[in-house]
Amino acid sequence: GAVVSQHPSWVICKSGTSVKIECRSLDFQATTMFWYRQFPKQSLMLMATSNEGSKATYEQGVEKDKFLINHASLTLSTLTVTSAHPEDSSFYICSAPQTDSNQPQHFGDGTRLSIL
Amino acid sequence: QKEVEQDPGPLSVPEGAIVSLNCTYSNSAFQYFMWYRQYSRKGPELLMYTYSSGNKEDGRFTAQVDKSSKYISLFIRDSQPSDSATYLCALTGGFKTIFGAGTRLFVKA
Repeated sequence: GAVVSQHPSWVICKSGTSVKIECRSLDFQATTMFWYRQFPKQSLMLMATSNEGSKATYEQGVEKDKFLINHASLTLSTLTVTSAHPEDSSFYICSAPQTDSNQPQHFGDGTRLSIL
Repeated sequence: QKEVEQDPGPLSVPEGAIVSLNCTYSNSAFQYFMWYRQYSRKGPELLMYTYSSGNKEDGRFTAQVDKSSKYISLFIRDSQPSDSATYLCALTGGFKTIFGAGTRLFVKA
C-alpha cells in the first residue's frame, strides 16, 4: 500500500526557533499533499494544501507567514513553523492521496511539536 | 449543521463483542467514504473505503454505506483489545475531504 513518511516524529525546542517538518511519499508521486493539526482528543484540522510547483493553499485563519509550506518535488513537502511559540505546540500530520485528491488520503505518522 | 456528525464516545465493549460505529452526513455530493483507525500519537491508518452504497467486507471489518439515508457504518466483529483506538469516518467529494470527530473505542480484555 501507499506509504507516507513524516520526520521528525517528535521535536522539542525553545520558543522563537523555527522547526521544519518533512513529509515524503515513498512509493508514489504526490502532486498534492495536505497538512493537518490535531489537538488532544480532537479531530484533524486542515491547515493547508500543498501543491507541487506552486503556492500552497491555506485554510481560513491559518497564517501563511507562520506556517511556510514548500512542495519542491513530487515526493516531498515541508512545513516550517517559524518563530515557534508555546501555543504552536501540537500534533502535525501530513497526508497525500495516491492519485487524485478525491482518492483516500494516506497519512504520515505525525510530528509531535513541543515548544518550551 | 456540521457536514459530518460522529459520536465521539468513548465506547467501551468487552473482548469479542460486535462494535458498530456510525457517521451521518448532510452533503449528497460526497462520493468516497472511508474509515480510518488512529492509535494514540500516530497518524490515521486507512482501514476501508468505498464509493457506492452497500457493504464491503475485509476480515473482521465491514463498511456499510447508505447514500439514501446519508449514513455510513463500520462494524468490527470479534473485537480485540488491539482494536482499541479512535476511528474516524471521512468523506470525499469535489476534491474536498471532511473528517468526523472520531469515536474512541476501548475493548476490554
